[in-house]
Amino acid sequence: EDQVTQSPEALRLQEGESSSLNCSYTVSGLRGLFWYRQDPGKGPEFLFTLYSAGEEKEKERLKATLTKKESFLHITAPKPEDSATYLCAVQASNDMRFGAGTRLTVKP
Amino acid sequence: DSGVTQTPKHLITATGQRVTLRCSPRSGDLSVYWYQQSLDQGLQFLIQYYNGEERAKGNILERFSAQQFPDLHSELNLSSLELGDSALYFCASSGTAENEKLFFGSGTQLSVL
Repeated sequence: EDQVTQSPEALRLQEGESSSLNCSYTVSGLRGLFWYRQDPGKGPEFLFTLYSAGEEKEKERLKATLTKKESFLHITAPKPEDSATYLCAVQASNDMRFGAGTRLTVKP
Repeated sequence: DSGVTQTPKHLITATGQRVTLRCSPRSGDLSVYWYQQSLDQGLQFLIQYYNGEERAKGNILERFSAQQFPDLHSELNLSSLELGDSALYFCASSGTAENEKLFFGSGTQLSVL
């Protein structure tokens, strides 16, 4: 069965303290790996799509990478406004399966 | 603003009741997805429609049903509600049948008392 596991469940950082979030997956025939950001009480907001191992995407302080078994979301010099839950999702068959998310808190 | 509209934003009802959640996708999007999000289950895929036809089904209970109308809006019907059905229900849309990036609405918070 397709599985998506995110770690850690929660991460607290000081402003400027860089770190990485992990998304490991086991799917048959990955068609795409997606990262979303979700703020409390709101719907997830698309960040990145990665399609093949070795691919990297960047947006401001965020950088997403992909291997054959996992993806990382690197956050460089985070700011308090980066606080949110970050969701990883994989597309293998007709649905998009989400991980449980990493709740990131960045303290000033 | 994602362009996906969900109504109502909040719904409070009693066990055993039936409710209907409504979703209007982004202009031009043909695919609509429904997800359930609860604290202990994360974001669970329920069902997908493409241009009026059911495309994929996930962990959707038999008490739940959905449809997509000719104008592409979608409704999720939840019946014989139980306490455990309390959750945030999201609708998302995308432009094609293949799963591209999804645009999510702001959700309907359902509370079953």
